[in-house]
Amino acid sequence: EPEVTQTPSHQVTQMGQEVILRCVPISNHLYFYWYRQILGQKVEFLVSFYNNEISEKSEIFDDQFSVERPDGSNFTLKIRSTKLEDSAMYFCASGRTASNQPQHFGDGTRLSIL
Amino acid sequence: QKEVEQNSGPLSVPEGAIASLNCTYSDRGSQSFFWYRQYSGKSPELIMFIYSNGDKEDGRFTAQLNKASQYVSLLIRDSQPSDSATYLCAVSGNQFYFGTGTSLTVIP
Repeated sequence: EPEVTQTPSHQVTQMGQEVILRCVPISNHLYFYWYRQILGQKVEFLVSFYNNEISEKSEIFDDQFSVERPDGSNFTLKIRSTKLEDSAMYFCASGRTASNQPQHFGDGTRLSIL
Repeated sequence: QKEVEQNSGPLSVPEGAIASLNCTYSDRGSQSFFWYRQYSGKSPELIMFIYSNGDKEDGRFTAQLNKASQYVSLLIRDSQPSDSATYLCAVSGNQFYFGTGTSLTVIP
């Protein structure tokens, strides 16, 4: 069964450094998403992406965040200057159709900021 | 702020019993409703989705939606120890909003 893949599984970064999290969505899916889950807390929406542009973003997704689909398969989340509070699990998800349709999640990247 | 509320639990049921998980949401404009299962340290896994009022059954799982009461539930029949996990309710309009999840333990 096709799945969303994310790399790396764990990223350790010094505060203030830039980090790029990578995702390969399911191949026939058109909608892509990033979520984060701080340890012990709920899953929080960051951003949705369709047709090579951001379609929705939350208040969390401020100027330090950006997303890109650099080629036909990868979908990336960049955090420009990481803070301690960025430490979390970051999940990529994809969906075949609109944002109110089922989304399938990758295994996540655990980001640890030191 | 659009809210999705779930009892955090823990909810414990004996093996073979019915587990009932509940969720309420604040945004009347919500269109789609989802249940995800999340094992500790793992990603959310889609269990069920429902769009219309009433019941939707898939194997041992039944999702129930009442838009007038802004309430969605998940019933798990013949609960198994492998069902022990956190169950996340998610509600969608333009964004997905997740609840904090209900921790379910099925006791053998």
